[in-house]
Amino acid sequence: GAVVSQHPSRVICKSGTSVKIECRSLDFQATTMFWYRQFPKQSLMLMATSNEGSKATYEQGVEKDKFLINHASLTLSTLTVTSAHPEDSSFYICSARVMTGTMDSPLHFGNGTRLTVT
Amino acid sequence: GQSLEQPSEVTAVEGAIVQINCTYQTSGFYGLSWYQQHDGGAPTFLSYNGLDGLEETGRFSSFLSRSDSYGYLLLQELQMKDSASYFCAASDTGRRALTFGSGTRLQVQP
Repeated sequence: GAVVSQHPSRVICKSGTSVKIECRSLDFQATTMFWYRQFPKQSLMLMATSNEGSKATYEQGVEKDKFLINHASLTLSTLTVTSAHPEDSSFYICSARVMTGTMDSPLHFGNGTRLTVT
Repeated sequence: GQSLEQPSEVTAVEGAIVQINCTYQTSGFYGLSWYQQHDGGAPTFLSYNGLDGLEETGRFSSFLSRSDSYGYLLLQELQMKDSASYFCAASDTGRRALTFGSGTRLQVQP
């Protein structure tokens, strides 16, 4: 149980275009999902917290107008990288806890999206 | 905020035991988790410590000492498939997200 599906797994786009990444909780509901970014051989850095039915909370230094987050249902959050540039090339990973889960319960991660901007 | 420090790399041989340490500086610390990540893959949950002491899950154990702001992951009977990156991650009372450490790359040699 507690499967998070992320799509696409890999995307290559041209500079200036926008890319949408979907994150779905398949067998549980999640009022909150978390978007992380990971550069090669580095740690996972939290970008934003996605809240169902309300605005996302962005970490310091993350441009909310560039990384648009929509959490329209209890099982789907999307991250749109707008006007992508080569420096946005990274591994983007979403995660969620089961809605009734406590702080002790683990985060379940999607398989990530490797974005390459040419 | 949180900051977590781990060794960058550890090398060990098959069948051995290895310990990966994690020290943290935090406000509102709640608990410490450990995740494994193979190259190109998603992090997978290994263990969690909310209280001081040792938690054992099969070949993996994790330890927490709140007074020392320190924890470790112990991997026993190492197998080649254990070669991966291991991250400690802290949760705090302020938010539901995790803050990840810098990661430790474990290489298991035959």
